Amino acid sequence: QQQVKQSPQSLIVQKGGISIINCAYENTAFDYFPWYQQFPGKGPALLIAIRPDVSEKKEGRFTISFNKSAKQFSLHIMDSQPGDSATYFCAARKGSAGNTPLVFGKGTRLSVIA
Amino acid sequence: DAGVTQSPTHLIKTRGQQVTLRCSPISGHKSVSWYQQVLGQGPQFIFQYYEKEERGRGNFPDRFSARQFPNYSSELNVNALLLGDSALYLCASSWGGGANTEAFFGQGTRLTVV
Repeated sequence: QQQVKQSPQSLIVQKGGISIINCAYENTAFDYFPWYQQFPGKGPALLIAIRPDVSEKKEGRFTISFNKSAKQFSLHIMDSQPGDSATYFCAARKGSAGNTPLVFGKGTRLSVIA
Repeated sequence: DAGVTQSPTHLIKTRGQQVTLRCSPISGHKSVSWYQQVLGQGPQFIFQYYEKEERGRGNFPDRFSARQFPNYSSELNVNALLLGDSALYLCASSWGGGANTEAFFGQGTRLTVV
């Protein structure tokens, strides 16, 4: 049973365009939703995270939109750059304490072309 | 400040052998988690330790074991290696003490079983 479903599997975006990656979750106990960026041969790096009590969070060119009723959240990358080309993972965690495991989506491979 | 450090970075083992992977968390972080990432997939949770106690275990066989030391570093052991154990093993470090505790990943150990 996949608790976090991520789409699309791959994405090609023109430089300067908007990249949009979507995730859906099933477990309503999830209350922390981070996005990670991973380059080949590297570990995932935390990009941005959101709690379900807000509908949107923006950090620089990266924005998370959160729809609690639909149990969906998405990552928007504005003004996408070739350096953004990487694999992006959404994740979710339940519980108020930080010592609970992250559940990851399968990832989206983003290619930004000039 | 040093990030999460893992050793070794790469490892080749033969089926049936045993392997030990090591992780040093960020200074001040008390929680260490281990994840397995198979090529093309998101990380899958293996173990979580907080204050040297096991706080969670994922759906992995008993061949997998781990421990956390008084200095909060951690080891992951895998016995009787199978070809299917070939993966990137990631260690994540977090403070672990409250809500929204961010998890920071190391660069991983690439294990190849031949």
